[in-house]
Amino acid sequence: GQNIDQPTEMTATEGAIVQINCTYQTSGFNGLFWYQQHAGEAPTFLSYNVLDGLEEKGRFSSFLSRSKGYSYLLLKELQMKDSASYLCAFYNNAGNMLTFGGGTRLMVKP
Amino acid sequence: DAGITQSPRHKVTETGTPVTLRCHQTENHRYMYWYRQDPGHGLRLIHYSYGVKDTDKGEVSDGYSVSRSKTEDFLLTLESATSSQTSVYFCAIMPAEGARETQYFGPGTRLLVL
Repeated sequence: GQNIDQPTEMTATEGAIVQINCTYQTSGFNGLFWYQQHAGEAPTFLSYNVLDGLEEKGRFSSFLSRSKGYSYLLLKELQMKDSASYLCAFYNNAGNMLTFGGGTRLMVKP
Repeated sequence: DAGITQSPRHKVTETGTPVTLRCHQTENHRYMYWYRQDPGHGLRLIHYSYGVKDTDKGEVSDGYSVSRSKTEDFLLTLESATSSQTSVYFCAIMPAEGARETQYFGPGTRLLVL
């Protein structure tokens, strides 16, 4: 079977660093996506990892370990506008489909 | 902006009535998807399409049907709406086939079935 897990909620302080973890199980793994979703809005693409290691994009970085079925999203210098849900999803190209986790709701406090 | 629109954006309907949601794209992308999003469940795939008249089921397809008679439109139909189908429905497109391709989402439709 296949499944994907991430924490339901996290809280962090403005200016701090937060790491959101995601673990998955699947066969035919072909990439791990992170999306950001503000309340009442559509998900928007943040990052994509297909090889092991860290991908950095400004204040956001994403890490993947395929052997461990593990990824994390690292947010630095947190801002209030980073309060949102963060969705991880793996890509299984047997069908060109994404399977999403339940999302992590991040609250950034002053 | 991936040129995706959804209509209607909000709908209230009664149990047992048919409902059709429309997803429209302007860039002739081959792949289109319908998801529903519910608290505690994240995004779940209902149906997807890989071309005109080519569709397949996703994880939660029971009670839903789809049609794609033109590249630009992907319709989701609830033949007889039930309260369990109250949800936010998102359409997504994928510009091309392949693992590096990202899915882009439309603005969503909020459906309430009374």
